[in-house]
Amino acid sequence: GAVVSQHPSRVICKSGTSVKIECRSLDFQATTMFWYRQFPKQSLMLMATSNEGSKATYEQGVEKDKFLINHASLTLSTLTVTSAHPEDSSFYICSARALAGGINEQFFGPGTRLTVL
Amino acid sequence: GENVEQHPSTLSVQEGDSAVIKCTYSDSASNYFPWYKQELGKRPQLIIDIRSNVGEKKDQRIAVTLNKTAKHFSLHITETQPEDSAVYFCAARSSSASKIIFGSGTRLSIRP
Repeated sequence: GAVVSQHPSRVICKSGTSVKIECRSLDFQATTMFWYRQFPKQSLMLMATSNEGSKATYEQGVEKDKFLINHASLTLSTLTVTSAHPEDSSFYICSARALAGGINEQFFGPGTRLTVL
Repeated sequence: GENVEQHPSTLSVQEGDSAVIKCTYSDSASNYFPWYKQELGKRPQLIIDIRSNVGEKKDQRIAVTLNKTAKHFSLHITETQPEDSAVYFCAARSSSASKIIFGSGTRLSIRP
C-alpha cells in the first residue's frame, strides 16, 4: 500500500511554545489530507481536512487559529500547534487520500506523540 | 454531520471463539465503511472495508456485513487468536464528503 510518513514521531515541548508536525505522502499524490487527534483510550477525532492549495476545513470545536494547517503541495501537509498547553498533549495522526488511479483508501501516518510540559 | 456509534466498548472472548462488533451510522449518504485495527501507540491499520453496493464481504477469518436500511454494519472475527487482541474501530465516509468518521472503538481481548 501507499506510504505516509510523519515527522517528528515524538515531541516534548514547554507550555507556550509552538510545534510543527509534518505529514508526507511518499509514493503518491494526495488531493486531500486529514488531521486526527487521539487522546489515551479514545477514538480518533477528526480535526480538519485540507486540500492542496486551499484553506483547511475545520471540524466544529477545533480552533483554526490554534491549529494551523498548511497544505502547500500534493505530498506535504503541516499542522502547527501554536502556544501549546498541557491539554494539547495527544497523539496526532494524519492521513492522505490518493489523487487518482481508482484508489479510494485513506492511508494513515504513524502518528506524532506530543507532550506539553 | 455523520455520527458513528460502536458497541461494545470492550469484548473478551476465548481463543478460538468468534467476536462480533457492531456499528451504526447516521448519514444515509455514507457509502464506504472501513474497519481498522490499532495496536497501542501505532497507526490504525485497515483490515477490511465494504461499500454500500455490497451486503457482505469476507477475507479469511474476517467478515463484514452491511444493512443499509437499518444503517448497521458489523465485523465478525472467527477462530480468534491471541494476535487479534487490539482496539478495533469502525468508520464511515459519505459520498458527499471525503472525510472518514470513526466509531468509539472496541478493545478486544482474546483469552488463552
